[in-house]
Amino acid sequence: AQSVSQHNHHVILSEAASLELGCNYSYGGTVNLFWYVQYPGQHLQLLLKYFSGDPLVKGIKGFEAEFIKSKFSFNLRKPSVQWSDTAEYFCAVTADNYGQNFVFGPGTRLSVLP
Amino acid sequence: EADIYQTPRYLVIGTGKKITLECSQTMGHDKMYWYQQDPGMELHLIHYSYGVNSTEKGDLSSESTVSRIRTEHFPLTLESARPSHTSQYLCASTSTQGVTEAFFGQGTRLTVV
Repeated sequence: AQSVSQHNHHVILSEAASLELGCNYSYGGTVNLFWYVQYPGQHLQLLLKYFSGDPLVKGIKGFEAEFIKSKFSFNLRKPSVQWSDTAEYFCAVTADNYGQNFVFGPGTRLSVLP
Repeated sequence: EADIYQTPRYLVIGTGKKITLECSQTMGHDKMYWYQQDPGMELHLIHYSYGVNSTEKGDLSSESTVSRIRTEHFPLTLESARPSHTSQYLCASTSTQGVTEAFFGQGTRLTVV
């Protein structure tokens, strides 16, 4: 079945640590990839997106993600996290052969300790 | 300012009541979605719409219904609420012109007692 998976359910880091959150999808064909963040009590916000071109995309707040087509992956990275990065992170995919509906991964909760 | 609005933010209601969750967007988007999200869990697509008079069921079976009489408005209705409907409901919209991201409302947290 077509799906989006995220490797970690809950990640705990200290401030200034580096972050990498994994995301894999199982769709074939052309895909568009997104990372969303949900801060406590707030709505989902877009961190970054990949449609085409350079597979390394930069987003807001120092986040970046790399699309590796051969691995069906779109991992999120940040070299140095801050306490304010504590949030839930969702990977999402739209695919041409899926009516361009957004399919979300289960989310990864990031807790950054001060 | 273009945005997407959901009301109410929080709702506690008794079993058997009829409820409508409101969603409106001022971005002129054609496509709108309803997702259901339990705490700490993934988002499940329950309904979507390509435009006026278009409604489709999503991946997750839901007893709710939706309507799309106006482009900017996409309400979700539960005819008879049950405790199993307790969840967070997220509305989103996106343009169908090219490939764009989805924009989300702040959600309605529904509790059925």
